[in-house]
Amino acid sequence: EIVLTQSPATLSLSPGERATLSCRASQSVSRYLAWYQQKPGQAPRLLIYDASNRATGIPARFSGSGSVTDFTLTISSLEPEDFAVYYCQQRGNWPLTFGQGTKVEIK
Amino acid sequence: EVQLLESGGGLEQPGGSLRLSCAASGFTFSSHAIGWVRQAPGKGLEWVSVISGSGSSTNHADSVKGRFTISRDNSKNTLYLQMNSLRAEDTAVYYCAKGVADRYYFDFWGQGTLVTVSS
Repeated sequence: EIVLTQSPATLSLSPGERATLSCRASQSVSRYLAWYQQKPGQAPRLLIYDASNRATGIPARFSGSGSVTDFTLTISSLEPEDFAVYYCQQRGNWPLTFGQGTKVEIK
Repeated sequence: EVQLLESGGGLEQPGGSLRLSCAASGFTFSSHAIGWVRQAPGKGLEWVSVISGSGSSTNHADSVKGRFTISRDNSKNTLYLQMNSLRAEDTAVYYCAKGVADRYYFDFWGQGTLVTVSS
């Protein structure tokens, strides 16, 4: 099983700041990685798939990069609605796996 | 508009069974993989099961393999999860999630149905 390790566990930032979230895979997943956002009481929302492709309707301030084992989600300038938990997910190998999440909180 | 509506959750005793359903609309159901992802209270996301658009291919997490079975009825635009031999650790909100075409990412999610396994 591919283990996805997200860091940091919590990121404390102010609106307008840049957020950089990391996801590291225990073995290669090529570029088969996605990022999701989840707010309290809501279902997750797909942000990025295949490492760098924004999903439909996702603002340009969200961007993804990386390949093989190291991936990054960047939020260029945090909006108030971006404070949430972010998960990465790989589809490079069975079973599908998620990271444990990074919480982006207001500083 | 894509809609996914889960049903069938509830309280069940350890060792019991439940069948979850997910009614889909707003997209060509048979053209998309679709699956179940669960979230235990206060915890992260855990993939459970996924099925291809045609239904010919299925995969399950090791934690549920041999106990849970995913299936779909493309004539009814409905996804199912038969859950047998339930355990306390199966307690979670179960989300139905639509795949991105034939890729196993999930671009639309239902609101979830809560399954509680307790005596």
